[in-house]
Amino acid sequence: DVKVTQSSRYLVKRTGEKVFLECVQDMDHENMFWYRQDPGLGLRLIYFSYDVKMKEKGDIPEGYSVSREKKERFSLILESASTNQTSMYLCASSFPPRDPSYEQYFGPGTRLTVT
Amino acid sequence: QQQVKQSPQSLIVQKGGISIINCAYENTAFDYFPWYQQFPGKGPALLIAIRPDVSEKKEGRFTISFNKSAKQFSLHIMDSQPGDSATYFCAASIGGSARQLTFGSGTQLTVLP
Repeated sequence: DVKVTQSSRYLVKRTGEKVFLECVQDMDHENMFWYRQDPGLGLRLIYFSYDVKMKEKGDIPEGYSVSREKKERFSLILESASTNQTSMYLCASSFPPRDPSYEQYFGPGTRLTVT
Repeated sequence: QQQVKQSPQSLIVQKGGISIINCAYENTAFDYFPWYQQFPGKGPALLIAIRPDVSEKKEGRFTISFNKSAKQFSLHIMDSQPGDSATYFCAASIGGSARQLTFGSGTQLTVLP
């Protein structure tokens, strides 16, 4: 079974703090993604990575950065957390587009509250 | 700008009934349309997917209907069960470096016993 794990299920941080969200996958997937999920807005793509040290901006990258030093690990960084970044953060991974399965496998999510 | 519009936001169905969730897209370059199912406390999981060269795909009680000319697709859940109660997301994607997905806003389905 594919497993995508996220470092924390719940996290509470203060405004201005630097926040690290970690994601690890065990399927040797090339692609990894970070989304935020908000009621009524669905899942919105923040950043994705298609290879080690490679990253591309998604639809809402402002206020976030990412790091992928190893294939299995993809980190989301909030440089200076703000209250509008309070959300559920979901990590996902998938095989490269050349693979006929386009399925993304999701972790359980991290509920981040910024106070 | 939301490229995939999903409706309704919430849906309540009696056990044994048919649940229908609709999505519309704008970008004609989309070529893969999956539906994801999410239970409380879990991440979304792929339920069923379709490519635009077919008009319908069925897997058990779940069917995707696809209308390319109208740029719409829908999920039908036949004989809905309380265990189907979850949030459903439609999505669409284009080939690219990672085949990233654009998701709809989600539908919270409740199936009453």
